[in-house]
Amino acid sequence: TQLLEQSPQFLSIQEGENLTVYCNSSSVFSSLQWYRQEPGEGPVLLVTVVTGGEVKKLKRLTFQFGDARKDSSLHITAAQPGDTGLYLCAGARGGSYIPTFGRGTSLIVHP
Amino acid sequence: SQTIHQWPATLVQPVGSPLSLECTVEGTSNPNLYWYRQAAGRGLQLLFYSVGIGQISSEVPQNLSASRPQDRQFILSSKKLLLSDSGFYLCAWSRTSYAGELFFGEGSRLTVL
Repeated sequence: TQLLEQSPQFLSIQEGENLTVYCNSSSVFSSLQWYRQEPGEGPVLLVTVVTGGEVKKLKRLTFQFGDARKDSSLHITAAQPGDTGLYLCAGARGGSYIPTFGRGTSLIVHP
Repeated sequence: SQTIHQWPATLVQPVGSPLSLECTVEGTSNPNLYWYRQAAGRGLQLLFYSVGIGQISSEVPQNLSASRPQDRQFILSSKKLLLSDSGFYLCAWSRTSYAGELFFGEGSRLTVL
């Protein structure tokens, strides 16, 4: 079973629309990261959330960590074609060197 | 600032041939190092990780091996490639005291024919 479940798996939207991507687990994480990956490149770290209920904003991207530190969401406002990519969430549990990755949400924003 | 590089970027190899992918990190010391494989642009499968020179942990038993001959060098190898070894391989590093944040290399696309 996948420790971190991401939904939706695929998302195809028009420029200017809003969207939310979810990352859910039954486990508690000491921190959770979001990455964006473009085809043929390595994932790039967008944000880390640590505190339950924490909200972080990165321009049009808003990240939220659940109160119980078991889930997270990524909201994009007024999506642009440059937002196209694979969005991955990953969580680290206390004392582990190994982050666990979700399977990703593939986003396509059409101009 | 810290940088990570892996090479080669693209590799086409026949079945049964050897493999060596190399990764180096600059600007930090004693990093945790990781090798991941990614199939079809989806999630990442952890292959190996290392918390120090000569210390390698394998997550998935398979046809591959890893070595860390120097503090900031991580090598992924195979003696005989299988068709199933094809994929996108990613090297990554994290700070020793905080494994949560990973910084990835550019990736290596391996095609086994």
